Amino acid sequence: EVQLVESGGGLVQPGRSLKLSCAASGFTFSNYDMAWVRQAPTKGLEWVASISTGGGNTYYRDSVKGRFTISRDNAKSTLYLQMDSLRSEDTATYYCARQGSSLTGSSYFDYWGQGVMVTVSS
Amino acid sequence: DIQMTQSPASLSASLGETVTIECLASEDIYSNLAWYQQKPGKSPQLLIYYANSLNDGVPSRFSGSGSGTQYSLKINSLQSEDVSIYFCQQNYDSPPTFGGGTKLELK
Repeated sequence: EVQLVESGGGLVQPGRSLKLSCAASGFTFSNYDMAWVRQAPTKGLEWVASISTGGGNTYYRDSVKGRFTISRDNAKSTLYLQMDSLRSEDTATYYCARQGSSLTGSSYFDYWGQGVMVTVSS
Repeated sequence: DIQMTQSPASLSASLGETVTIECLASEDIYSNLAWYQQKPGKSPQLLIYYANSLNDGVPSRFSGSGSGTQYSLKINSLQSEDVSIYFCQQNYDSPPTFGGGTKLELK
């Protein structure tokens, strides 16, 4: 059974940092591109970042470029999101998601974690 | 970015009824369209990908159709467990973008 378990969320002041982790199991982690998707309270879904299987290619939405860093440790089957210079508008539930196979420049997400809440407030 | 517009924003239907949710892309996405179901307090789950391919384990009362810029999700014989928010998402171009969601409730 595919499982994605996020951790590391919490309350943080604006301008500070937080690092999220996502422990994967039930599939060969190193064979899949992975992503973070967020959902602000009572809002819709917003893709944040993606990373290729080996970690050599990373992609970010414009609003987090230069502030967030996605990475992975295939030996530990773990995905990370380092979030620096946090802003109030980053407040959301952050989901770790496995990307499905795609022939286009983008992908759908076939498995999601339970999510972890990040609140940016003074 | 490709904009995804869902309609209606909310929908109330009776048990056993057939419901349809629409998704309009701002440009041709060549059937690179996924649908997700998000039950209250839960994470999204993939229902359909490539516009009409049913994900493993998804009941056959769910179906997807469409092409070009217009797509739809149909739920036949509505069940109580179908009460959820439904999102469409394009995966034709980066960044992947989602519709605003359709909240489905029981009448």
